[in-house]
Amino acid sequence: AQKITQTQPGMFVQEKEAVTLDCTYDTSDPSYGLFWYKQPSSGEMIFLIYQGSYDQQNATEGRYSLNFQKARKSANLVISASQLGDSAMYFCAMRVLGGGSQGNLIFGKGTKLSVKP
Amino acid sequence: SQTIHQWPATLVQPVGSPLSLECTVEGTSNPNLYWYRQAAGRGLQLLFYSIGIDQISSEVPQNLSASRPQDRQFILSSKKLLLSDSGFYLCAWSSLRGGDTEAFFGQGTRLTVV
Repeated sequence: AQKITQTQPGMFVQEKEAVTLDCTYDTSDPSYGLFWYKQPSSGEMIFLIYQGSYDQQNATEGRYSLNFQKARKSANLVISASQLGDSAMYFCAMRVLGGGSQGNLIFGKGTKLSVKP
Repeated sequence: SQTIHQWPATLVQPVGSPLSLECTVEGTSNPNLYWYRQAAGRGLQLLFYSIGIDQISSEVPQNLSASRPQDRQFILSSKKLLLSDSGFYLCAWSSLRGGDTEAFFGQGTRLTVV
């Protein structure tokens, strides 16, 4: 069965510093995608970054980068130069692209990030 | 461009009453559609997903049901709500054509069962 684990319920970071949010996943399928979403207090889910299982390079999107370590089955999100507006819940998610659960998108329990001024 | 609409934004319903939440997608065809529930301060729990009309997969046994009467319409229903059904419900869509893409979410419905 597929599973996403986020072990950090909450994280604090000083404004302008970098922070890493951990995510590990479990799947036996070779083809999958990994996602990170941000959920501010308003509740909307904002897509941040995507990494495919066959991608050779780590994904980057502006201040967001994904540290993809396939052998360890980890997909940590790195936010550089934190801003006050980065304070939110962050969710790691996975979609398996084959087998009976094709298209099934599952989420971890999330990490609450608080940026301190 | 593609958009997703979910309504209502908030809902207060008594225990035992029925429920119908609707989600529609515009600007795409044959999307994968999802219903998630998020309890306060918790992660997203996948309730249902659909890869086509009348093709619904249930992930969690419960008193909720989902239907997809049209390609871009996804409905979450209950005949009798329970207190435990309270939560934040999110509809989402994604497309697997041309490779994997992110899922796009609606604004969510905050349901309180009293």
